Amino acid sequence: DTEVTQTPKHLVMGMTNKKSLKCEQHMGHRAMYWYKQKAKKPPELMFVYSYEKLSINESVPSRFSPECPNSSLLNLHLHALQPEDSALYLCASSQEFGLNNEQFFGPGTRLTVL
Amino acid sequence: AQKVTQAQTEISVVEKEDVTLDCVYETRDTTYYLFWYKQPPSGELVFLIRRNSFDEQNEISGRYSWNFQKSTSSFNFTHTASQVVDSAVYFCALILYSSASKIIFGSGTRLSIRP
Repeated sequence: DTEVTQTPKHLVMGMTNKKSLKCEQHMGHRAMYWYKQKAKKPPELMFVYSYEKLSINESVPSRFSPECPNSSLLNLHLHALQPEDSALYLCASSQEFGLNNEQFFGPGTRLTVL
Repeated sequence: AQKVTQAQTEISVVEKEDVTLDCVYETRDTTYYLFWYKQPPSGELVFLIRRNSFDEQNEISGRYSWNFQKSTSSFNFTHTASQVVDSAVYFCALILYSSASKIIFGSGTRLSIRP
């Protein structure tokens, strides 16, 4: 299984809602990543988990809260988002920690904040 | 400062034409990695190639080839006999060995192949 899955595919939420994005991989990869991608822009790294521990937080606002319950699963909890947070959220994984490794990406969750 | 420039925002060619996507990077570091990723309409980024700064050998994989030239700080990507399935946004990216926690993407080139 060489796939990274993400659910849901689409999410619409209000600014007062709480929701979660889910990412799963079964390749035995030890590093997992969250990226945010605005339309017509490259992805921006948000968080990196290595061996289930948060290794990198790229100064992301606290309304985004990552969680890595086990080595296969990565969540992104959303609370009190702003309309400018509307974007494609991509999850990725790699064999080992380090952006110089090949990353496998999921198809993303397209988030709209009203 | 580190930077990746993909000057071609959009390219449109007819099927079977050859097309080259340009990538120019800036860094003072001597050890670094360069990547190309493809992002089809389905959304996921697909890894295409990684090169480290000490490996200037050009690479060919089927209809794809990559030309890495340190003298001009470029890492260009050529599709030969392009196909409609090649239509996607292509990103070039730079990672420094000294800071493997930072990835610098170019702005991407949208490639459209017309039948």
